[in-house]
Amino acid sequence: AQSVTQLGSHVSVSEGALVLLRCNYSSSVPPYLFWYVQYPNQGLQLLLKYTSAATLVKGINGFEAEFKKSETSFHLTKPSAHMSDAAEYFCAVSENGGGSNYKLTFGKGTLLTVNP
Amino acid sequence: NAGVTQTPKFQVLKTGQSMTLQCAQDMNHEYMSWYRQDPGMGLRLIHYSVGAGITDQGEVPNGYNVSRSTTEDFPLRLLSAAPSQTSVYFCASSEGGPRRIEQFFGPGTRLTVL
Repeated sequence: AQSVTQLGSHVSVSEGALVLLRCNYSSSVPPYLFWYVQYPNQGLQLLLKYTSAATLVKGINGFEAEFKKSETSFHLTKPSAHMSDAAEYFCAVSENGGGSNYKLTFGKGTLLTVNP
Repeated sequence: NAGVTQTPKFQVLKTGQSMTLQCAQDMNHEYMSWYRQDPGMGLRLIHYSVGAGITDQGEVPNGYNVSRSTTEDFPLRLLSAAPSQTSVYFCASSEGGPRRIEQFFGPGTRLTVL
């Protein structure tokens, strides 16, 4: 069984400050890991994904995440927050290989607020 | 490509009523899934399909029914709606084979059951 824990249901930063959203996972097999963003009243958009290639993954809108196997973590960062980054962010895991890598398990989400 | 489309966008039902949430994709994707999103719960998998004629249960299947008669469509049926099914429902699809990693999500259907 796999699970995802997102630390902090709400993170507030100032515009221009570092964004750090935390995600820890558990999986019995090597995982695929994802970060999705959801803007108000919209669907989910993929920010970035880890699929066992480079451990530092760069995504859209200046976000990146680092896969750390020893810490079972996949934290999302952005050096400088912009007002347009305000949204809810979801970390998700699926199984690498096998037949189940189309089934995503999501964390509960982190709401990012950016203050002017 | 329209991607993944869902209808309706909003729906209000009374307890006991039935309805079907529609989902369609025009990307010839093999895999399709339904998730529900509830505040503080993230998204949870309801049912999924690995191809036409093949469906299986996810994490929270009770009260929902699905079928997949074509590659394009994957409707979700509520046979007797309950207030606990008030939620936002998302449909997703992904390619088959080694490229089936990324899922594409529809815009969602917001359902209220009174």
